[in-house]
Amino acid sequence: DVKVTQSSRYLVKRTGEKVFLECVQDMDHENMFWYRQDPGLGLRLIYFSYDVKMKEKGDIPEGYSVSREKKERFSLILESASTNQTSMYLCASSLIGQGGGEAFFGQGTRLTVV
Amino acid sequence: QKEVEQNSGPLSVPEGAIASLNCTYSDRGSQSFFWYRQYSGKSPELIMFIYSNGDKEDGRFTAQLNKASQYVSLLIRDSQPSDSATYLCAVKGSGYSTLTFGKGTMLLVSP
Repeated sequence: DVKVTQSSRYLVKRTGEKVFLECVQDMDHENMFWYRQDPGLGLRLIYFSYDVKMKEKGDIPEGYSVSREKKERFSLILESASTNQTSMYLCASSLIGQGGGEAFFGQGTRLTVV
Repeated sequence: QKEVEQNSGPLSVPEGAIASLNCTYSDRGSQSFFWYRQYSGKSPELIMFIYSNGDKEDGRFTAQLNKASQYVSLLIRDSQPSDSATYLCAVKGSGYSTLTFGKGTMLLVSP
């Protein structure tokens, strides 16, 4: 079974803090993604990566950055957390060329910025 | 802008009935289509994918794809209360394109 593990299930941070969300996958997938999910807005892609040290902006990259130093690990960084970044954050991974590229999700991190 | 549209619901069906969930997409170049199930407070879980026009069956689930109409659906036969969840439709283009998700349809199956 594909396993995608996010470092925290729940996180509370203060406005202005630098926040790191970590994600690790154990299936040697090339692609990794970070989404946020908000009621009424659905899943929105923040950043994705096709390979180590590569990153691409998604639909809502503002206020975020990412790091992928190793194939299995993809980190999302909130440079200066704000209350509008309170959300559920979901990491996912998929294989390039595996059928259509089905994505497997981690358990999610519910981040609250106060 | 690629769009994937779903009725937000809730879609209410009695236990044992067939639930029909629908999805339309805007990008004619889309090649792969996915259905994810998401329980409240949990992350999405892949339940089916389909690439070719027609039907694909997996147990109680059938995915249907009509590329000419840009329409994909999910049928759940013999619906169970445990099927109550939000169902997300996702669409992918060719090559390195990413998944575009619909906002999901909430399904409620009553005993």
